[in-house]
Amino acid sequence: IQLTQSPSSLSASVGDRVTITCRASQGINTYLAWYQQKPGKAPKVLIYAASTLQSGVPSRFSGSGSGTDFTLTISTLQPEDFATYYCQHFKTFPITFGQGTRLDIK
Amino acid sequence: EVQLLESGGDLVQPGGSLRLSCAPSGFTFKNYAMTWVRQAPGKGPEWVSTISNTGGDTYYADSVKGRFTISRDNSGNTLFLQMSSLRTEDTALYYCVRYIRGPNYYLDYWGQGTLVTVSS
Repeated sequence: IQLTQSPSSLSASVGDRVTITCRASQGINTYLAWYQQKPGKAPKVLIYAASTLQSGVPSRFSGSGSGTDFTLTISTLQPEDFATYYCQHFKTFPITFGQGTRLDIK
Repeated sequence: EVQLLESGGDLVQPGGSLRLSCAPSGFTFKNYAMTWVRQAPGKGPEWVSTISNTGGDTYYADSVKGRFTISRDNSGNTLFLQMSSLRTEDTALYYCVRYIRGPNYYLDYWGQGTLVTVSS
């Protein structure tokens, strides 16, 4: 199962609403997680089961979707949100990652 | 506090071998599946291998199948990745990651990684 994220990169401003999409090559129900990675740090889980917010993650992050199409939305961008975001599926092994979306400051 | 401490990364020649270790703390290791994820410089994460909580089930990416072996010692609280026939494309930061496997599925805690460099 391949995951394709779009866009690959995105420039936005503090306060903007941002949406990142992840498309699976076949249906994966809601077996999808989203991660945030900052330079020099390990990825951090934000969302699992497509729409469940991990404990401690700000509520401005949300996820939706099922089957093949998924979205990660940041409702009001904060300075600390500029990072790279990855989706990952868990439908079957291999549990692959998307190629990533880099979110930069405009 | 959950912590995962990787060790064993090094510079190795192509065709060589290396064994990575991961020392978990802050949780009951034997209750969790564990995973190795690698990240080559400037690239995204790549899933490498997963082992069930008992060690009875193991899974591998096609890119490492037959060359890498994941194992665990639940009495000694350690996760391992034995790597052999190493290639330049195996160069990456290798993360030890706890895997939440049911009823929800995700990778929740990550170590800081250990660097493997394959070069002559």
